[in-house]
Amino acid sequence: GQQVMQIPQYQHVQEGEDFTTYCNSSTTLSNIQWYKQRPGGHPVFLIQLVKSGEVKKQKRLTFQFGEAKKNSSLHITATQTTDVGTYFCAGGRGTYKYIFGTGTRLKVLA
Amino acid sequence: DAGVIQSPRHEVTEMGQEVTLRCKPISGHDYLFWYRQTMMRGLELLIYFNNNVPIDDSGMPEDRFSAKMPNASFSTLKIQPSEPRDSAVYFCASSFGYELFSSKERSSTDTQYFGPGTRLTVL
Repeated sequence: GQQVMQIPQYQHVQEGEDFTTYCNSSTTLSNIQWYKQRPGGHPVFLIQLVKSGEVKKQKRLTFQFGEAKKNSSLHITATQTTDVGTYFCAGGRGTYKYIFGTGTRLKVLA
Repeated sequence: DAGVIQSPRHEVTEMGQEVTLRCKPISGHDYLFWYRQTMMRGLELLIYFNNNVPIDDSGMPEDRFSAKMPNASFSTLKIQPSEPRDSAVYFCASSFGYELFSSKERSSTDTQYFGPGTRLTVL
């Protein structure tokens, strides 16, 4: 079946360092969403990418969707302690059923 | 709007007991999703509804699990009988869900709003 893998599984960074998580799908996606889940919390929607090669920015966060629409990345510039949490990508196949990635847990050391 | 509401927030039960989890989606949302999250398996989609009708239940683990949506403002996920391996956080999410047709591509621009989750422990 369809799988969505994320790497790395865990990442510890010093505050101020950059962070990147990569999302790879075994099949072509129609769109991809990114969510953030704080420890003990629930996933919160960050952004959606639809077009091949699309790049979107939200302040220090940059999201990319691959040309083949099978991979995506989230890059955080100059991490802050508020960035702590698990980041999930969720791949869509043109229906309302999304396959969530395995997640990358980010820890920021002050 | 209060967001997606789930109850109970925590449930501790003994193996063999029936467990019912409840969800109230955001008013006006057409889609409702039930997810299960564990350390081992991550976030798994169990079932989703559109306008109260189950569309895809392929993620439901086995016959012990059942879900209903009797009306647009209420859904339940029932486990009977419960087993220790069912211990997890169960999330309900809802979305408005509409589609945009863009050139040759059919795109969805739905956003899923998650509830706070129910932490289930089966002893």
